[in-house]
Amino acid sequence: AQSVSQHNHHVILSEAASLELGCNYSYGGTVNLFWYVQYPGQHLQLLLKYFSGDPLVKGIKGFEAEFIKSKFSFNLRKPSVQWSDTAEYFCASLNQAGTALIFGKGTTLSVSS
Amino acid sequence: DAMVIQNPRYQVTQFGKPVTLSCSQTLNHNVMYWYQQKSSQAPKLLFHYYDKDFNNEADTPDNFQSRRPNTSFCFLDIRSPGLGDAAMYLCATSREGTGDYEQYFGPGTRLTVT
Repeated sequence: AQSVSQHNHHVILSEAASLELGCNYSYGGTVNLFWYVQYPGQHLQLLLKYFSGDPLVKGIKGFEAEFIKSKFSFNLRKPSVQWSDTAEYFCASLNQAGTALIFGKGTTLSVSS
Repeated sequence: DAMVIQNPRYQVTQFGKPVTLSCSQTLNHNVMYWYQQKSSQAPKLLFHYYDKDFNNEADTPDNFQSRRPNTSFCFLDIRSPGLGDAAMYLCATSREGTGDYEQYFGPGTRLTVT
């Protein structure tokens, strides 16, 4: 079965630190990958997505992710985090049938000012 | 703003007492999804509607049912909630046929079973 793994359960950073959240997916065919963010008390929002083309994807709020096919990875990065980036981050892959998202367990990011 | 709305945001029900969660959307998307998210776990798809066609995930318990009376509304019915059904229930929508697989989520309904 397809799966998505997020390596970090809880990440704690100071403001201005660089961020990298790991994500690995299991499906070896055509991939559609997403990073969603959930700020405290808010709904899941799309940060960025990759379907094809340039493996370095830029999203909102200064986030980017790199698709590395050979490593089955889609890690999320931000060069300098802000306190307002405190949130839960979910990596997801579209299933083979194209009907549902398969989510990782999420990473909680806490940024101290 | 176009959006996905879920009501109520918090729902408390008694063990075995049927409960209905609602979702509405103003995005005019043809696909609507229901996910279950338990504490510290990934959201898990229960079922989805592609237009009027209902698609149940193989491991979704029979206790969970859904209705979509029109494009805008979708309901999640839990016929006999158990303690294990306490979770956040997320509704999402997408527009199929455009090649854009992005799903738009509502704020969720947190269900407590006493």
